[in-house]
Amino acid sequence: ILNVEQSPQSLHVQEGDSTNFTCSFPSSNFYALHWYRWETAKSPEALFVMTLNGDEKKKGRISATLNTKEGYSYLYIKGSQPEDSATYLCARNSGGSNYKLTFGKGTLLTVNP
Amino acid sequence: DAGVIQSPRHEVTEMGQEVTLRCKPISGHDYLFWYRQTMMRGLELLIYFNNNVPIDDSGMPEDRFSAKMPNASFSTLKIQPSEPRDSAVYFCASSYGGSRTPYGYTFGSGTRLTVV
Repeated sequence: ILNVEQSPQSLHVQEGDSTNFTCSFPSSNFYALHWYRWETAKSPEALFVMTLNGDEKKKGRISATLNTKEGYSYLYIKGSQPEDSATYLCARNSGGSNYKLTFGKGTLLTVNP
Repeated sequence: DAGVIQSPRHEVTEMGQEVTLRCKPISGHDYLFWYRQTMMRGLELLIYFNNNVPIDDSGMPEDRFSAKMPNASFSTLKIQPSEPRDSAVYFCASSYGGSRTPYGYTFGSGTRLTVV
């Protein structure tokens, strides 16, 4: 994998459903993996930053895991609510740079009431 | 802190005109990034600064684009002359490089540029 890739591109779920999506990234020269939440007409907001293989982070109903050896991260949302509707972006620190992030194109989540 | 402040929020201009986008980073942040967001490419890094010095401008599309950071509290991205294909949302973000652990970005609200 050369770039940061996210799947699916979009997702529709019903309120109360649990869901998850994937971020795949180059595993070489790994430094950190970031997740952002981006609501329409707003700016991206940081959710998690993960660095260690096996890392798990949680914020309320949202959690994320990290596998640096195989180059993927999962974001989970438990009991989706309409206010969870947003684009979820992942980003990887670009090789060798602690500060330059390469973003995936995001997963657009729509939660129907 | 008011966060990262960008201006204007919206800009509509005619092809060939000069456009200047402005950004005020969070006080104390020593990294500043300019990104462009389009449907086709997602968020693309254009240029970033560390302590007001441009570090990597490899993402700047062409010579029509230029960016400056004259001091720690202000940066501009200029397009001259503008073209319709420059229409996009331009985001500024800042970050702090002094932390031992990776620090996320704080994004501004973006400038939606339309070139007609």
